[in-house]
Amino acid sequence: DARVTQTPRHKVTEMGQEVTMRCQPILGHNTVFWYRQTMMQGLELLAYFRNRAPLDDSGMPKDRFSAEMPDATLATLKIQPSEPRDSAVYFCASGFFAVSNQPQHFGDGTRLSIL
Amino acid sequence: TQLLEQSPQFLSIQEGENLTVYCNSSSVFSSLQWYRQEPGEGPVLLVTVVTGGEVKKLKRLTFQFGDARKDSSLHITAAQPGDTGLYLCAGGPSGIYNQGGKLIFGQGTELSVKP
Repeated sequence: DARVTQTPRHKVTEMGQEVTMRCQPILGHNTVFWYRQTMMQGLELLAYFRNRAPLDDSGMPKDRFSAEMPDATLATLKIQPSEPRDSAVYFCASGFFAVSNQPQHFGDGTRLSIL
Repeated sequence: TQLLEQSPQFLSIQEGENLTVYCNSSSVFSSLQWYRQEPGEGPVLLVTVVTGGEVKKLKRLTFQFGDARKDSSLHITAAQPGDTGLYLCAGGPSGIYNQGGKLIFGQGTELSVKP
């Protein structure tokens, strides 16, 4: 079965450091989503791309977060500088959306701890 | 802003019991998806319902979409320890165009089934 691959699976770093999370979407999928999951807020949409172009990044703190798709096989989410409140599990999901109501396929997440 | 409220947030039951999880909103959704998430993994799609009043069954799981497409329920019959996990409902925003496949997620219901 094709899967969304996220790296790293775990990341522990100190406040102020740059963090880069990577996602390889399923081949052929045209839409990539970035989510953050915490106990308090649940699953929050940060940004998403269609055919590598950003569609909506209104859920993302613009001053420190950035999301890009350098090519169709790679999506990145960067935090610079990182803060303790950024500690969460970050998920990438992909899907093919020529029509609505299609499923999103999630990776297994990057568990981020900022000390 | 479209919101989905899930209840209950936590549910701990004995093997063999029945349970229902609810997902409610004041907004109309074009579709409703249910996902299940296990620890250390990303959510996995269980079912999509798109028509008001629609009922879908997946073995011991029964999913229903409300007539007005504002709410949904998940009923599990004779729960088993393997059903343990986080259950998430997610709605596709209604409108002329489904905003590129974006989903609004509920906070989730943490289910624990004890042997």
